[in-house]
Amino acid sequence: GQQLNQSPQSMFIQEGEDVSMNCTSSSIFNTWLWYKQDPGEGPVLLIALYKAGELTSNGRLTAQFGTTRKDSFLNISASIPSDVGIYFCAGQLAGGGADGLTFGKGTHLIIQP
Amino acid sequence: GAGVSQSPRYKVAKRGQDVALRCDPISGHVSLFWYQQALGQGPEFLTYFQNEAQLDKSGLPSDRFFAERPEGSVSTLKIQRTQQEDSAVYLCASTSLNEQFFGPGTRLTVL
Repeated sequence: GQQLNQSPQSMFIQEGEDVSMNCTSSSIFNTWLWYKQDPGEGPVLLIALYKAGELTSNGRLTAQFGTTRKDSFLNISASIPSDVGIYFCAGQLAGGGADGLTFGKGTHLIIQP
Repeated sequence: GAGVSQSPRYKVAKRGQDVALRCDPISGHVSLFWYQQALGQGPEFLTYFQNEAQLDKSGLPSDRFFAERPEGSVSTLKIQRTQQEDSAVYLCASTSLNEQFFGPGTRLTVL
């Protein structure tokens, strides 16, 4: 099935560094979402974006919905050890939970103390 | 807890066996989704229910996959005659407004 193009695949960074990852699609989405998945758990929603051009923050996380509606990025500032995990972008055509999500392949974040 | 629960958490099946995976959504959530997550990949949509109605099953990979939600609450994903390529984590999510809440998944290994 279709998956979004997410990069980078993995990141090895030092604690305290900023992180940036992005996601692109050949299709337009009306909602962009960013999830984090820890081992043995399901994805947990970090940030949801509903309007093209929207910039939203959640603590140290900032995400933007691209103006073309075909891309999004996620930034994490001042990384800490608990940020380790796999980050997924996801696009949704309709809002309100009316259709399934299309996910990227994930960015594996590894933090060296 | 009040989250989405799934059982079993781990299932090992011999090729050709049938399996049934259960999802208990958050109470009151109308919409329920199933996803398949292969190793090293993102989740892929399988099917969607609104109450007991299966509104979209376009992601089911073959007719060996069958999902039901007869009373609009608990859902079961059944895989008949399992194959090695069915090995994956199967995630269930239920929805309140715009957010999909995911369960921990069932890791299926087909030998």
